[in-house]
Amino acid sequence: QLVLTQSPSASASLGASVNLTCTLSSGHSSYAIAWHQQQPDKGPRFLMKLKTDGSHNKGDGVPDRFSGSSSGAERYLTISSLQSEDEADYYCQAWGTDIRVFGGGTRLTVL
Amino acid sequence: EVQLVESGGDLVKPGRSLRLSCTGSGFTFGVYAMTWIRQAPGKGLEWVGFIRHKAYGGTAEYAASVKGRFTISRDDAKSVAYLQMNSVKIEDTAVYFCCREDGGDCDYWGQGTLVTVSS
Repeated sequence: QLVLTQSPSASASLGASVNLTCTLSSGHSSYAIAWHQQQPDKGPRFLMKLKTDGSHNKGDGVPDRFSGSSSGAERYLTISSLQSEDEADYYCQAWGTDIRVFGGGTRLTVL
Repeated sequence: EVQLVESGGDLVKPGRSLRLSCTGSGFTFGVYAMTWIRQAPGKGLEWVGFIRHKAYGGTAEYAASVKGRFTISRDDAKSVAYLQMNSVKIEDTAVYFCCREDGGDCDYWGQGTLVTVSS
């Protein structure tokens, strides 16, 4: 069963960097994922598609401060030079032939 | 510019039906799969279902929580995807989003429409 696991919360200081993690379930470590951002009271926004080899394709207008990487079943979203508008919920998404799955989301607080 | 606009959200009683629409613009609607996702108040994103584009049969897949009650369809001539919600339950209360798929992942999202199920 395809499941994505995310930590419920994370925090980092203004101007610092933060890594958010999304873990694929056993047997699914070769899957690509997508990262999405949801700012308070807004709809989600596609950030990037992240492949097993760490290569990623970002959405329109996504700043260079956002990057992705992979290691085994872990998929990472790194946000550098944190800004106040980065305070949001971040979701990972994976997909199979007949299913789509979202992680539980990580709420990022910028201190 | 790619845009997706959901509509049709409303207050509906348990057991009744409701149809949501997702209208796309700024892209060739018919060559993309379209997905519906929902978000209950204070909760995370939950995949509802998706419909393939016609070249892949135009068939739909659903989450277990809605299978047999919800139906996704599309009208490519109008650039609209529909979510027909039958026998709605209290737990279907959520903001419903549609997204355009790019090989499985959502690459553009709508702003959402609120469905409230209450007697």
